[in-house]
Amino acid sequence: GAGVSQSPSNKVTEKGKDVELRCDPISGHTALYWYRQSLGQGLEFLIYFQGNSAPDKSGLPSDRFSAERTGGSVSTLTIQRTQQEDSAVYLCASSTIWGARGTEAFFGQGTRLTVV
Amino acid sequence: GEDVEQSLFLSVREGDSSVINCTYTDSSSTYLYWYKQEPGAGLQLLTYIFSNMDMKQDQRLTVLLNKKDKHLSLRIADTQTGDSAIYFCAEGGKLIFGQGTELSVKP
Repeated sequence: GAGVSQSPSNKVTEKGKDVELRCDPISGHTALYWYRQSLGQGLEFLIYFQGNSAPDKSGLPSDRFSAERTGGSVSTLTIQRTQQEDSAVYLCASSTIWGARGTEAFFGQGTRLTVV
Repeated sequence: GEDVEQSLFLSVREGDSSVINCTYTDSSSTYLYWYKQEPGAGLQLLTYIFSNMDMKQDQRLTVLLNKKDKHLSLRIADTQTGDSAIYFCAEGGKLIFGQGTELSVKP
């Protein structure tokens, strides 16, 4: 596709349920990032995939959060046993590495997660 | 670890210059970035600067980098109401973002 695609665009879930958020990066982009943006807050780094290297998981807030990237393309962010504080917009971005202008990341429109 | 700090709000009058400031901690960052987020829209790259540069100009935008103080700024000349948005600075390969500065431009 032309840009980064995230699905679903909106998700309402009950506290305690598991959710999966999907990101389809731009074809050929080797780097993929997940962020969380809470209401009125900045972008909180969650996890970063770069090619075949081990992902940088240093931003995951708890062991309820996990992410995988299959075949170097699609990524899924999973939140287990959701809590109300998990409510936020989850943003995915992808980029090439060391392109002519450095790493320009292209963002999806995000998944708005509401835990009730 | 990496950390990026920005002031949260800036209000200017149309036609004035806006200066948005950012401090960062990772001295090894090769590139530093400014992204813009408009209401209801995704983030888009505005401009970037390579770490061996002190200044970069791109039309109405001027980026200044002080590596010694780890300070980055974005100047918008002749600010317009359409520039109202949240501006984020970001550093590094894994793109650590600041909290964002909400720019409000009054006519």
